[in-house]
Amino acid sequence: TQLLEQSPQFLSIQEGENLTVYCNSSSVFSSLQWYRQEPGEGPVLLVTVVTGGEVKKLKRLTFQFGDARKDSSLHITAAQPGDTGLYLCAGVRNTGFQKLVFGTGTRLLVSP
Amino acid sequence: EPEVTQTPSHQVTQMGQEVILRCVPISNHLYFYWYRQILGQKVEFLVSFYNNEISEKSEIFDDQFSVERPDGSNFTLKIRSTKLEDSAMYFCAGHRGPNEKLFFGSGTQLSVL
Repeated sequence: TQLLEQSPQFLSIQEGENLTVYCNSSSVFSSLQWYRQEPGEGPVLLVTVVTGGEVKKLKRLTFQFGDARKDSSLHITAAQPGDTGLYLCAGVRNTGFQKLVFGTGTRLLVSP
Repeated sequence: EPEVTQTPSHQVTQMGQEVILRCVPISNHLYFYWYRQILGQKVEFLVSFYNNEISEKSEIFDDQFSVERPDGSNFTLKIRSTKLEDSAMYFCAGHRGPNEKLFFGSGTQLSVL
C-alpha cells in the first residue's frame, strides 16, 4: 500500500511568517500534485511536479520534488490570511489515469 | 472556468436504502472518477471510468457500488444498500487527456442514518 505522510498536520502562524509543509513516502511516484481544499469544496490543483529535483514557483508558493521522487515540499513565503486552508499532496503513477494517492493533509491557519 | 457539477450537495438516507449520486463532468472530459473523503480522513480513490467502462476500482468499491454514464453527459455513482460506514463526502472528478489536470466537483455529503 502506498502511503503519503504529510507534516505538520496543523500549522497556525502569523501573517508574514514563512512555512514549509512536507510530504513523504517510501514509494516512488511518477509525479506528485499539490492541492488546496476549502471547506465544503473539492480539492483544487495547485501544481504538478514530475522530474526528480524539480522546483516550481507559484507566486509566494515554492514546490519541490525530491530527487528520488518519493517526497515533496511546499514552502510559503510571507504567508497571508488568504493562504488559510487544507493543503493536500497526492502521488500518481504514470498510467495516464489520475488515480491519486492522497496525503494526510496539512491544515494551515494564518492569522492577521 | 468550466466546472464539474454534483447533485445533490447533501443526501441523507436510511441504512439499507439505495442512493444515486449524480455528476455532470466538464463537457470535453473523457476520464472520470469517484473519490470519497470520510470526515477527518484522507481523500480515497474509488473508481476510474474511461471509454464507457471501469478501468480500475479500489477495494472499497465492492458489489454494492456501481457507476454508469448513461447518456454521455451524466456520470452516476450508485450504492445499492447503504451502510453507516458509507457516510462520507463523495467527489466526482474528470480530465480530458492522459495525465492532464484533474478537476474535482464540490462533492455530495452523504449521511447514512
